[in-house]
Amino acid sequence: DADVTQTPRNRITKTGKRIMLECSQTKGHDRMYWYRQDPGLGLRLIYYSFDVKDINKGEISDGYSVSRQAQAKFSLSLESAIPNQTALYFCATSDSQGMYQPQHFGDGTRLSIL
Amino acid sequence: RKEVEQDPGPFNVPEGATVAFNCTYSNSASQSFFWYRQDCRKEPKLLMSVYSSGNEDGRFTAQLNRASQYISLLIRDSKLSDSATYLCVVGESTGGFKTIFGAGTRLFVKA
Repeated sequence: DADVTQTPRNRITKTGKRIMLECSQTKGHDRMYWYRQDPGLGLRLIYYSFDVKDINKGEISDGYSVSRQAQAKFSLSLESAIPNQTALYFCATSDSQGMYQPQHFGDGTRLSIL
Repeated sequence: RKEVEQDPGPFNVPEGATVAFNCTYSNSASQSFFWYRQDCRKEPKLLMSVYSSGNEDGRFTAQLNRASQYISLLIRDSKLSDSATYLCVVGESTGGFKTIFGAGTRLFVKA
């Protein structure tokens, strides 16, 4: 089983719909992240959480919200999806020793907004 | 200027060749550096961290040049399985947590 699991793997939906992407991990890491990846661009950080009570905005948080339900779960919501949110979304985790630790990624969710 | 810049490539090399990639970063206060590998339509995976004194892991060598603000990745004796996109990642210390991913350099190793 994967250490970082994202659901769904693929999703096609319509403009204006509410969408939730879920991420769970068995690595026991405190830190979790949500990124999006667009062709020709690097991964961009949407939100991150350093523990269950901690939520922080990343570079591109507008139009997104998150919930850290437990140490192992971090979900990303698009309240009213728009076409330019079509992208590949990755959840990641990292250890909490030190500020910057290598991150471990889930398989990704390919999201298309029509 | 982008915060982290990489030559997008593609680099097309034969098996057994040596290939090098550079990555430049704009913030001199950056403190952590990594190379990740990403296969087509897959998740990024850590290849190696980059330490100030440079470091090697098998056929892979990473170096950091703080004065010129770049990191490099050298791959010796390229294998077909090295074909992937290589992502440069920089962690900054200013303004809180900030991890910046480069857009990646594509490598194709041919038989």
